[in-house]
Amino acid sequence: ELKVEQNPLFLSMQEGKNYTIYCNYSTTSDRLYWYRQDPGKSLESLFVLLSNGAVKQEGRLMASLDTKARLSTLHITAAVHDLSATYFCAVDGRYTGNQFYFGTGTSLTVIP
Amino acid sequence: NAGVTQTPKFQVLKTGQSMTLQCAQDMNHEYMSWYRQDPGMGLRLIHYSVGAGITDQGEVPNGYNVSRSTTEDFPLRLLSAAPSQTSVYFCASTPGMGEQFFGPGTRLTVL
Repeated sequence: ELKVEQNPLFLSMQEGKNYTIYCNYSTTSDRLYWYRQDPGKSLESLFVLLSNGAVKQEGRLMASLDTKARLSTLHITAAVHDLSATYFCAVDGRYTGNQFYFGTGTSLTVIP
Repeated sequence: NAGVTQTPKFQVLKTGQSMTLQCAQDMNHEYMSWYRQDPGMGLRLIHYSVGAGITDQGEVPNGYNVSRSTTEDFPLRLLSAAPSQTSVYFCASTPGMGEQFFGPGTRLTVL
């Protein structure tokens, strides 16, 4: 069974600071997705990473994928309050007989 | 396009009752899935379908049934509701091998 570990689970940071969320997974996959979820809402797609070394950036968020290390990172630059949300990584294991597996999420709070 | 729609948005059931959560998509996606979301546990896959007439179990299938008679619809049935099934349920659809698109969710409480 594919396992996805995300850390930290909770993150409180001040506006203007930088931080990284980590997503480790246990089996071969070169497809990984990041989602954002606001309280009481559904999941919104942020990034689609489809190969080793893929890097995507949108505003203050940058995601990368290292398939050899089975690691993806979501880097936050100069955090602002609007980034407060829960962030999930999801690994697409369908190539290896698995399905989609989600990390447990990182609850981010940006303090003014 | 409406994307992925789910009904109802909220539901309260008594233990032992049955019900069907509806999910529909208008994007002609072959792959559809149902998840439940519980605090601290991320999203866990209940059932999925790779096309009309084909369904399979996910990580937590017990107590749930699905069917896929059309590409558009993928209902989830709770056979005999239990308090442990109190959760938020999300339906998702996926184009081929791409990312998932999620519905707005159904918040279910079982008393």
